[in-house]
Amino acid sequence: AQKVTQAQTEISVVEKEDVTLDCVYETRDTTYYLFWYKQPPSGELVFLIRRNSFDEQNEISGRYSWNFQKSTSSFNFTITASQVVDSAVYFCALSEAGIRDDKIIFGKGTRLHILP
Amino acid sequence: SQTIHQWPATLVQPVGSPLSLECTVEGTSNPNLYWYRQAAGRGLQLLFYSVGIGQISSEVPQNLSASRPQDRQFILSSKKLLLSDSGFYLCACTSGTRIYNEQFFGPGTRLTVL
Repeated sequence: AQKVTQAQTEISVVEKEDVTLDCVYETRDTTYYLFWYKQPPSGELVFLIRRNSFDEQNEISGRYSWNFQKSTSSFNFTITASQVVDSAVYFCALSEAGIRDDKIIFGKGTRLHILP
Repeated sequence: SQTIHQWPATLVQPVGSPLSLECTVEGTSNPNLYWYRQAAGRGLQLLFYSVGIGQISSEVPQNLSASRPQDRQFILSSKKLLLSDSGFYLCACTSGTRIYNEQFFGPGTRLTVL
């Protein structure tokens, strides 16, 4: 069965600090996708990134970076030099490739507070 | 790219009243469509999904139902609301090409049942 675990329920850091959000997943599939979504206070989920299981290259986008390690089944998300606007709930998610319904399994989310 | 519209944005309804939430998608054809519910401070619960017109799959038994009368329209309904139906309802879609499975979300509807 597929499962996504975000062990950090809530994190608070002071602005400009770096912060890493952890994500551990379980799947028996050999081909799958991993995602991160951001949910700001307005409520809408914003898609941040997708990673394919066959591509373990880490990715950087501005202050955001993602570390995908199949050996530890982890897909961690780091925000460098955090800003107050980064305050949100962040969801890690997993989807099996090639299935018709494209269902996504979400973690329970990590609520991130960036303190000014 | 796709745009998802949901209405109403907020809704306050008495227990026992009916419900109809609408979701429409622009910018893609033949998407998969999804209804999620998020209780206050909680994670996302998948309620229904649809892979085509008239095709609805239910994930959780409840007093809600869903319909997809058109390719890019997804409706969530109830005949009689319960207090436990309160929450934030999100509609999502995949792109019509369905290459990578990512889902895109609408702005959501906040439902309060009193």
